[in-house]
Amino acid sequence: EAGVTQSPTHLIKTRGQQATLRCSPISGHTSVYWYQQALGLGLQFLLWYDEGEERNRGNFPPRFSGRQFPNYSSELNVNALELEDSALYLCASSLYISGYTFGSGTRLTVV
Amino acid sequence: QKEVEQDPGPLSVPEGAIVSLNCTYSNSAFQYFMWYRQYSRKGPELLMYTYSSGNKEDGRFTAQVDKSSKYISLFIRDSQPSDSATYLCATLTQGGSEKLVFGKGTKLTVNP
Repeated sequence: EAGVTQSPTHLIKTRGQQATLRCSPISGHTSVYWYQQALGLGLQFLLWYDEGEERNRGNFPPRFSGRQFPNYSSELNVNALELEDSALYLCASSLYISGYTFGSGTRLTVV
Repeated sequence: QKEVEQDPGPLSVPEGAIVSLNCTYSNSAFQYFMWYRQYSRKGPELLMYTYSSGNKEDGRFTAQVDKSSKYISLFIRDSQPSDSATYLCATLTQGGSEKLVFGKGTKLTVNP
């Protein structure tokens, strides 16, 4: 069974640009979660999508947005990039409350 | 007060030692408790998941939850160099948010 896949692995953007990160959940999983792991801050919850709908979002500004497609894959968009957006962005999927499965992440660097 | 507190370490032990990793949480609504292991440049990997108070064992790993004191622990017996990683505790409430709340992680090094 393929795990959660994320692309790209690394992304370098200039301040003010937009970044798009992609995630494919485990086959059969309908929920996708996005987390930010910045240095020294730990994993912070960003967004939760289930059945194509945004179900919950963390304490992040509106320039962090995303969507979930009919095949349950998901996209995270970060507009007007700031230097402090540099972090590892992790996607996870789940079917039941039994623990999430994370992908390896996209490392976003804003210069 | 942060919802989940975890000593960041770092923790360094000799091979074969028993390792104890601990977290405290503040929200009594938390019902599910997990431990994740994260190797450098990788995503977190689920190690243990438990719902109730008490112990849960899986090989060399034992997860312990004490809901009365809001304390969760992970014990690693016969630690190996391959156990060197960052260990993250996480909690979850059911219904509505489905949001995992993580501790900041404890970096463990097991020296051969």
